Amino acid sequence: DIQMTQSPSTLSASVGDRVTITCRASQSVNNWLAWHQHKPGKAPRLLIFGVSNLETGVPSRFSGRGSGTEFTLTISGLQPDDFATYYCHQSDDYSDTFGQGTKLELK
Amino acid sequence: QVHLVQSGAEVKKPGSSVKVSCEASAVTFTSFTFNWVRQAPGQGLEWMGRVNPLSGTSNYAQRFTGRVTITADESRRIGNMELRSLTSDDTAVYYCATGTDRTISFWGQGTLVTVSS
Repeated sequence: DIQMTQSPSTLSASVGDRVTITCRASQSVNNWLAWHQHKPGKAPRLLIFGVSNLETGVPSRFSGRGSGTEFTLTISGLQPDDFATYYCHQSDDYSDTFGQGTKLELK
Repeated sequence: QVHLVQSGAEVKKPGSSVKVSCEASAVTFTSFTFNWVRQAPGQGLEWMGRVNPLSGTSNYAQRFTGRVTITADESRRIGNMELRSLTSDDTAVYYCATGTDRTISFWGQGTLVTVSS
Protein backbone atom coordinates (compact mmCIF):
# COMPACT_ATOMS: atom_id res chain seq x y z
CA ASP A 1 0.00 0.00 0.00
CA ILE A 2 1.05 3.57 -0.59
CA GLN A 3 1.94 5.27 2.70
CA MET A 4 0.84 8.85 3.26
CA THR A 5 2.74 10.96 5.79
CA GLN A 6 1.30 14.26 6.94
CA SER A 7 3.10 17.02 8.77
CA PRO A 8 2.74 18.48 11.22
CA SER A 9 0.58 16.18 13.34
CA THR A 10 -0.66 19.17 15.32
CA LEU A 11 -0.73 22.80 14.27
CA SER A 12 -1.55 25.70 16.58
CA ALA A 13 -2.74 28.86 14.89
CA SER A 14 -4.88 31.96 15.37
CA VAL A 15 -7.89 33.28 13.49
CA GLY A 16 -6.66 35.10 10.41
CA ASP A 17 -3.44 33.09 10.07
CA ARG A 18 -2.30 31.38 6.91
CA VAL A 19 -1.40 27.72 7.49
CA THR A 20 -0.02 24.95 5.32
CA ILE A 21 -0.25 21.20 5.83
CA THR A 22 2.04 18.87 3.91
CA CYS A 23 1.34 15.33 2.73
CA ARG A 24 4.04 13.08 1.29
CA ALA A 25 3.36 9.79 -0.49
CA SER A 26 5.71 6.80 -0.53
CA GLN A 27 5.32 6.68 -4.32
CA SER A 28 3.63 8.76 -6.96
CA VAL A 29 -0.15 9.04 -6.64
CA ASN A 30 -0.51 11.00 -9.88
CA ASN A 31 -3.49 13.33 -9.37
CA TRP A 32 -5.50 11.03 -7.11
CA LEU A 33 -5.04 13.20 -4.03
CA ALA A 34 -7.83 14.70 -1.96
CA TRP A 35 -8.17 16.56 1.32
CA HIS A 36 -10.95 16.01 3.85
CA GLN A 37 -11.89 17.98 6.96
CA HIS A 38 -13.18 16.16 10.02
CA LYS A 39 -14.73 17.54 13.19
CA PRO A 40 -15.50 15.40 16.26
CA GLY A 41 -18.89 13.72 16.11
CA LYS A 42 -19.53 14.81 12.53
CA ALA A 43 -19.14 13.27 9.12
CA PRO A 44 -15.93 14.16 7.32
CA ARG A 45 -16.19 16.67 4.49
CA LEU A 46 -14.42 16.69 1.14
CA LEU A 47 -12.55 19.94 0.58
CA ILE A 48 -10.31 19.35 -2.41
CA PHE A 49 -10.05 16.59 -5.03
CA GLY A 50 -7.63 15.96 -7.84
CA VAL A 51 -4.87 17.83 -5.95
CA SER A 52 -6.24 21.33 -6.47
CA ASN A 53 -9.94 21.24 -7.35
CA LEU A 54 -12.17 22.92 -4.80
CA GLU A 55 -15.32 20.95 -3.98
CA THR A 56 -18.57 22.86 -4.53
CA GLY A 57 -19.42 25.04 -1.56
CA VAL A 58 -15.93 25.02 -0.04
CA PRO A 59 -14.62 28.52 0.68
CA SER A 60 -11.88 29.83 -1.58
CA ARG A 61 -9.51 30.31 1.37
CA PHE A 62 -8.77 26.59 0.99
CA SER A 63 -6.31 25.65 -1.72
CA GLY A 64 -4.31 22.60 -2.69
CA ARG A 65 -1.27 22.07 -4.81
CA GLY A 66 1.46 19.59 -5.52
CA SER A 67 2.35 16.69 -7.77
CA GLY A 68 3.81 13.22 -7.72
CA THR A 69 4.59 12.54 -4.08
CA GLU A 70 4.35 15.92 -2.33
CA PHE A 71 1.19 17.89 -1.75
CA THR A 72 0.03 20.80 0.37
CA LEU A 73 -3.22 22.16 1.72
CA THR A 74 -3.19 25.86 2.54
CA ILE A 75 -5.84 27.78 4.43
CA SER A 76 -5.50 31.53 3.94
CA GLY A 77 -7.15 33.60 6.64
CA LEU A 78 -8.23 31.02 9.21
CA GLN A 79 -11.82 31.26 10.38
CA PRO A 80 -13.17 29.87 13.68
CA ASP A 81 -14.98 27.12 11.77
CA ASP A 82 -11.70 25.83 10.31
CA PHE A 83 -10.34 24.34 13.53
CA ALA A 84 -10.61 20.62 12.84
CA THR A 85 -8.53 17.63 11.75
CA TYR A 86 -7.43 17.44 8.13
CA TYR A 87 -6.60 14.27 6.22
CA CYS A 88 -4.98 13.74 2.87
CA HIS A 89 -6.31 10.78 0.91
CA GLN A 90 -4.78 8.95 -2.05
CA SER A 91 -6.72 6.67 -4.38
CA ASP A 92 -4.18 6.04 -7.12
CA ASP A 93 -3.78 2.28 -6.91
CA TYR A 94 -7.31 1.17 -6.02
CA SER A 95 -6.13 0.57 -2.46
CA ASP A 96 -6.72 3.92 -0.86
CA THR A 97 -4.88 5.27 2.14
CA PHE A 98 -5.27 8.30 4.36
CA GLY A 99 -2.61 10.32 6.04
CA GLN A 100 -2.54 10.14 9.82
CA GLY A 101 -4.23 13.51 10.12
CA THR A 102 -3.25 17.03 11.16
CA LYS A 103 -5.14 18.55 14.06
CA LEU A 104 -5.50 22.29 13.63
CA GLU A 105 -6.06 23.87 17.01
CA LEU A 106 -6.59 27.36 18.30
CA LYS A 107 -3.46 28.94 19.71
CA GLN B 1 -26.97 16.93 -2.60
CA VAL B 2 -26.31 13.24 -1.96
CA HIS B 3 -27.60 12.01 1.37
CA LEU B 4 -26.31 8.83 3.01
CA VAL B 5 -28.19 7.21 5.87
CA GLN B 6 -26.43 4.45 7.77
CA SER B 7 -27.84 1.74 10.00
CA GLY B 8 -27.73 2.07 13.77
CA ALA B 9 -25.11 1.37 16.40
CA GLU B 10 -24.14 -2.24 17.11
CA VAL B 11 -22.66 -4.09 20.08
CA LYS B 12 -20.99 -7.37 19.19
CA LYS B 13 -19.12 -10.17 20.93
CA PRO B 14 -15.54 -11.02 19.99
CA GLY B 15 -15.45 -13.57 17.18
CA SER B 16 -18.80 -12.56 15.76
CA SER B 17 -19.64 -10.58 12.61
CA VAL B 18 -21.28 -7.22 11.99
CA LYS B 19 -23.11 -5.88 8.95
CA VAL B 20 -23.57 -2.15 8.45
CA SER B 21 -25.73 -0.72 5.69
CA CYS B 22 -25.92 2.63 3.95
CA GLU B 23 -28.73 4.00 1.80
CA ALA B 24 -27.95 6.70 -0.74
CA SER B 25 -30.50 9.19 -1.95
CA ALA B 26 -30.37 12.07 -4.44
CA VAL B 27 -27.46 10.47 -6.25
CA THR B 28 -27.31 12.26 -9.60
CA PHE B 29 -24.21 10.76 -11.18
CA THR B 30 -24.76 7.63 -13.20
CA SER B 31 -21.80 5.72 -11.86
CA PHE B 32 -20.82 5.87 -8.26
CA THR B 33 -19.02 3.77 -5.69
CA PHE B 34 -19.62 2.93 -2.05
CA ASN B 35 -16.57 3.21 0.18
CA TRP B 36 -16.21 2.18 3.81
CA VAL B 37 -13.84 4.03 6.13
CA ARG B 38 -13.45 3.54 9.86
CA GLN B 39 -12.10 5.54 12.76
CA ALA B 40 -11.08 3.76 15.95
CA PRO B 41 -11.10 5.75 19.20
CA GLY B 42 -8.31 8.32 19.17
CA GLN B 43 -7.12 7.22 15.75
CA GLY B 44 -7.32 8.56 12.20
CA LEU B 45 -9.36 7.54 9.20
CA GLU B 46 -8.72 4.11 7.73
CA TRP B 47 -10.02 3.08 4.31
CA MET B 48 -11.41 -0.46 4.22
CA GLY B 49 -12.63 -0.91 0.67
CA ARG B 50 -15.08 0.08 -2.04
CA VAL B 51 -17.60 -1.46 -4.41
CA ASN B 52 -18.89 -0.30 -7.77
CA PRO B 53 -22.61 -1.19 -7.78
CA LEU B 54 -22.81 -1.27 -11.58
CA SER B 55 -19.92 -3.62 -12.20
CA GLY B 56 -20.03 -5.42 -8.87
CA THR B 57 -16.26 -5.00 -8.59
CA SER B 58 -14.86 -4.59 -5.09
CA ASN B 59 -11.41 -3.47 -3.91
CA TYR B 60 -10.21 -3.98 -0.36
CA ALA B 61 -7.38 -2.69 1.78
CA GLN B 62 -4.86 -5.47 2.18
CA ARG B 63 -5.24 -5.68 5.95
CA PHE B 64 -8.96 -6.42 5.64
CA THR B 65 -8.86 -8.81 2.70
CA GLY B 66 -10.57 -12.06 3.63
CA ARG B 67 -12.32 -10.57 6.64
CA VAL B 68 -14.54 -7.95 5.03
CA THR B 69 -17.11 -8.09 2.27
CA ILE B 70 -18.47 -4.93 0.68
CA THR B 71 -21.47 -5.18 -1.58
CA ALA B 72 -24.09 -2.94 -3.11
CA ASP B 73 -27.45 -3.19 -4.76
CA GLU B 74 -27.44 -0.48 -7.40
CA SER B 75 -31.15 -0.57 -7.95
CA ARG B 76 -31.78 0.05 -4.27
CA ARG B 77 -28.91 2.42 -3.73
CA ILE B 78 -27.88 0.46 -0.64
CA GLY B 79 -24.32 -0.41 0.26
CA ASN B 80 -23.35 -3.04 2.82
CA MET B 81 -20.21 -3.82 4.75
CA GLU B 82 -19.77 -7.07 6.64
CA LEU B 83 -16.77 -7.53 8.94
CA ARG B 84 -16.09 -10.97 10.41
CA SER B 85 -14.02 -12.39 13.27
CA LEU B 86 -14.39 -9.23 15.32
CA THR B 87 -11.93 -8.29 18.05
CA SER B 88 -11.84 -5.34 20.41
CA ASP B 89 -9.54 -3.62 17.89
CA ASP B 90 -12.53 -3.39 15.54
CA THR B 91 -14.36 -1.05 17.91
CA ALA B 92 -14.75 2.05 15.78
CA VAL B 93 -17.07 4.40 13.98
CA TYR B 94 -17.67 3.03 10.48
CA TYR B 95 -18.40 5.55 7.75
CA CYS B 96 -20.02 4.94 4.42
CA ALA B 97 -18.86 7.35 1.71
CA THR B 98 -19.71 7.65 -1.93
CA GLY B 99 -18.36 9.32 -5.02
CA THR B 100 -17.47 8.67 -8.62
CA ASP B 101 -14.66 6.31 -9.59
CA ARG B 102 -11.95 6.80 -6.95
CA THR B 103 -13.13 10.09 -5.51
CA ILE B 104 -14.86 10.16 -2.11
CA SER B 105 -17.29 13.07 -2.22
CA PHE B 106 -20.03 12.45 0.33
CA TRP B 107 -19.94 10.86 3.76
CA GLY B 108 -22.55 9.20 5.92
CA GLN B 109 -23.07 10.08 9.58
CA GLY B 110 -21.17 7.05 10.85
CA THR B 111 -22.14 3.89 12.73
CA LEU B 112 -20.55 3.01 16.06
CA VAL B 113 -19.61 -0.64 16.35
CA THR B 114 -18.53 -1.75 19.80
CA VAL B 115 -16.89 -5.14 20.28
CA SER B 116 -16.99 -6.29 23.86
CA SER B 117 -17.38 -9.49 25.78
